[in-house]
Amino acid sequence: GAGVSQSPRYKVTKRGQDVALRCDPISGHVSLYWYRQALGQGPEFLTYFNYEAQQDKSGLPNDRFSAERPEGSISTLTIQRTEQRDSAMYRCASSLVGVNEKLFFGSGTQLSVL
Amino acid sequence: AQSVTQLGSHVSVSEGALVLLRCNYSSSVPPYLFWYVQYPNQGLQLLLKYTSAATLVKGINDFEAEFKKSETSFHLTKPSAHMSDAAEYFCAVGGSQGNLIFGKGTKLSVKP
Repeated sequence: GAGVSQSPRYKVTKRGQDVALRCDPISGHVSLYWYRQALGQGPEFLTYFNYEAQQDKSGLPNDRFSAERPEGSISTLTIQRTEQRDSAMYRCASSLVGVNEKLFFGSGTQLSVL
Repeated sequence: AQSVTQLGSHVSVSEGALVLLRCNYSSSVPPYLFWYVQYPNQGLQLLLKYTSAATLVKGINDFEAEFKKSETSFHLTKPSAHMSDAAEYFCAVGGSQGNLIFGKGTKLSVKP
């Protein structure tokens, strides 16, 4: 596609529900990154993939968070048993390969947990 | 561990004035450094990056940044601010584990 696409754009859920956030990177981009951005803060690294392999998941806050990229393209970030503190903007980015290449960011998914 | 510190969460300048946004980094290895800009309701966009080829890096829209190893700084400047420069600016360092570590951001306001 022309850019990084994230869906849904907005997600409102009740505490305790599971949510799945989708990221469709730029075609041909090897690396895919997930970030979380709270209001007034910089993006906080969550995890990243090269192709389908998850390279680093050290930024995932706890075991309720998981991510996958099974075919090396589209990625899903799943949050189980959501809590109010999970409310934030979740951003996906992709690059040709590696973080030192230009990252292209999607517009993000705004998650609100009530 | 690598980190960046952006001094000043808000900076306000008049149109036509110099823009200076400050960033200091911490890195145990030669760093890759970046400035990204975020306009309202949009994703982050790369302004410029430093990869050791030259200490003065030029980016889009007349922005530039100078890498100063002795000061561990990578400040962003623009000679003359435009109203369209109003946005949030993030400094970032390439992490040793392949991720990108961002600062907290500086919101730039431009007064007419």
